[in-house]
Amino acid sequence: NTVMTQSPTSMFTSVGDRVTISCKASQNVGINVAWYQQETGQSPKRLIYWASNRDTGVPDRFTGSGSGTDFTLTISNMQAEDPAIYYCLQHNSYPLTFGSGTKLEIK
Amino acid sequence: EVQLVESGGGLVKPGASLKLSCVASGFTFSDYWMSWVRQTPGKTMEWIGDIKYDGSYTNYAPSLKNRFTISRDNAKSTLYLQMSNVRSEDTATYYCTRELGAPDYWGQGVMVTVSS
Repeated sequence: NTVMTQSPTSMFTSVGDRVTISCKASQNVGINVAWYQQETGQSPKRLIYWASNRDTGVPDRFTGSGSGTDFTLTISNMQAEDPAIYYCLQHNSYPLTFGSGTKLEIK
Repeated sequence: EVQLVESGGGLVKPGASLKLSCVASGFTFSDYWMSWVRQTPGKTMEWIGDIKYDGSYTNYAPSLKNRFTISRDNAKSTLYLQMSNVRSEDTATYYCTRELGAPDYWGQGVMVTVSS
């Protein structure tokens, strides 16, 4: 199985901060990575597909980058509505595997 | 609007069987691969498996393939997850998802609690 190592596990941020979340794949997954946001009590919502493509309606402060084994989700200007758990997912090979999640909170 | 609505969860005893359903609407169900994903109480996400748009092929997480079976009825726009010999570690929220490469739309989830 491809292991997705996600960091940090959690972090406190402030409104306006630039936030970076990392996912490292245990083998080359190309650009077959997606990022999800899960707000408290809600289902996950996909933000990014094919590593760097924003889903419809996703604010442009969310940016995905990377290829191969190293991937990043950047929130350029943290907003009050962005606290959530964020997950990466690889779908390059079966079984699909998720990162362990990053919990973002506002200070 | 794409909607996925799961049902069939609840409290079950270890060793029992349970079948979850997911009714899809707002898109042509028979055009898409579909999958099940679960989330443990500790928030760990685990992909369970998926099924081809015509139901002819399935993939599973190796640790679950002997106990879980995914099927679909395209005439009813419904996805199923048959769970057998459930264990306490199967306690989770189960999500139905539409797959377009990666899952794009998710249902609201259904809780399954395995306890005696």
